[in-house]
Amino acid sequence: SQQGEEDPQALSIQEGENATMNCSYKTSINNLQWYRQNSGRGLVHLILIRSNEREKHSGRLRVTLDTSKKSSSLLITASRAADTASYFCATVLTSGTYKYIFGTGTRLKVLA
Amino acid sequence: GAVVSQHPSWVICKSGTSVKIECRSLDFQATTMFWYRQFPKQSLMLMATSNEGSKATYEQGVEKDKFLINHASLTLSTLTVTSAHPEDSSFYICSARGPNRDLAYEQYFGPGTRLTVT
Repeated sequence: SQQGEEDPQALSIQEGENATMNCSYKTSINNLQWYRQNSGRGLVHLILIRSNEREKHSGRLRVTLDTSKKSSSLLITASRAADTASYFCATVLTSGTYKYIFGTGTRLKVLA
Repeated sequence: GAVVSQHPSWVICKSGTSVKIECRSLDFQATTMFWYRQFPKQSLMLMATSNEGSKATYEQGVEKDKFLINHASLTLSTLTVTSAHPEDSSFYICSARGPNRDLAYEQYFGPGTRLTVT
C-alpha cells in the first residue's frame, strides 16, 4: 500500500492532557502536512512542515519531522473537547507528481 | 484565497444512474486537480489526477470507465460516477494544486460530496 501509517489508530484522553500521534512514510518527501477532519466533514489544514525543517509550532500544535527515520509526530497540548476529530498526515513526494499520500489516520477523542 | 468548492455537497441516487460532481477553484486557476474517495472511518484514497486539457491519470485499481473525469477549464473539474451501485456510496473529495510555483506542492481541498446510492 502507498499509504503512510499512523499510530495510534485511536486515542482517548481527558481534557487538558496532551495528545501525540505519529506518522511514518516510505519515500522521500517534499513536505508533510497534518489535517483534521471532523466526522463526515471536509479536511482542515493544520500545519505544513518542509523536508528541511525539523520542528514547527502553531498555537497548541507542535509538529516534528525526522527524515532519517521517515517519521513525523503531531502534539496537541492542553487538549479540548473540540479537538475530538480524526487526524491525518499527508506526504508530498519529491517525484514531481504533486500527489499526496495520506496516512491511515488517528481518531482522537477528548473527554470533558 | 485558494478556495475550492464542490457541488453538490450530498446526493442520493438510484442504482444504475449516473451522478456528476463538480469541483471548482473559486479564486485561482488550477491546472491540476485531484479526486479522492473516503469510506467511513477510513483515510482518503487518491483516485485520479486531473490535468486541464488532457486525460486524467487514474490510480491503480480505479476504473476509468466508471469514474469519468473531465477537466475542461482551469477552474472546473468534474467526476461522473457512471452506473452507480451501492458500493460506490462514499465521500468524494477534490483538491486543486497550488496556483503558482511556490505553492506547487500544496493542495487546497473542497468540502467533499457525500454520495449515497440506493
